[in-house]
Amino acid sequence: NAGVTQTPKFRVLKTGQSMTLLCAQDMNHEYMYWYRQDPGMGLRLIHYSVGEGTTAKGEVPDGYNVSRLKKQNFLLGLESAAPSQTSVYFCASGRAQYFGPGTRLLVL
Amino acid sequence: DQQVKQNSPSLSVQEGRISILNCDYTNSMFDYFLWYKKYPAEGPTFLISISSIKDKNEDGRFTVFLNKSAKHLSLHIVPSQPGDSAVYFCAAIQSGGYQKVTFGTGTKLQVIP
Repeated sequence: NAGVTQTPKFRVLKTGQSMTLLCAQDMNHEYMYWYRQDPGMGLRLIHYSVGEGTTAKGEVPDGYNVSRLKKQNFLLGLESAAPSQTSVYFCASGRAQYFGPGTRLLVL
Repeated sequence: DQQVKQNSPSLSVQEGRISILNCDYTNSMFDYFLWYKKYPAEGPTFLISISSIKDKNEDGRFTVFLNKSAKHLSLHIVPSQPGDSAVYFCAAIQSGGYQKVTFGTGTKLQVIP
């Protein structure tokens, strides 16, 4: 029982490159969330999903897309990375917000 | 507009003493509150929660107090231990719909041995 896992753990991108962050949970949760954490800003919700096949925007959705094709996976995509997207990204699962270990992203 | 505020970015406490972390909120529709603890390079972990129908919830060394009229909650850690050194986030949920969770900016607690 791994709980919530995130891949990759760390990534460096150049401006304009694209990438996908994967969140996987094995707790059969309906709700999944993507947050970003920046110094002095706390955790801000990017997108969330209330079930397989559903997604919705959070507080800071611009520049990101998400997909929930399978219940256990929630993908966060950056189509054209910008330096402002340098952050630590956390995925959470379930209404009680079980968090993954985070993905540190640096956009040069 | 920061609906959940933690006005103290950091706090230092001696081992064995009480740590009090504060959190204020502005949205009167919030009806469930949570505290999370976060170590460096790890995701936040759930610590303790309280429903708006209560004013206190206790779990071991951790107690959360809620003052709805003041829109204020606090986390008390007694006695504080060096392993409690971490960043603490308060969060609030507005029930209904998908139960959006709003986080505060965090308070870094340092417990000095």
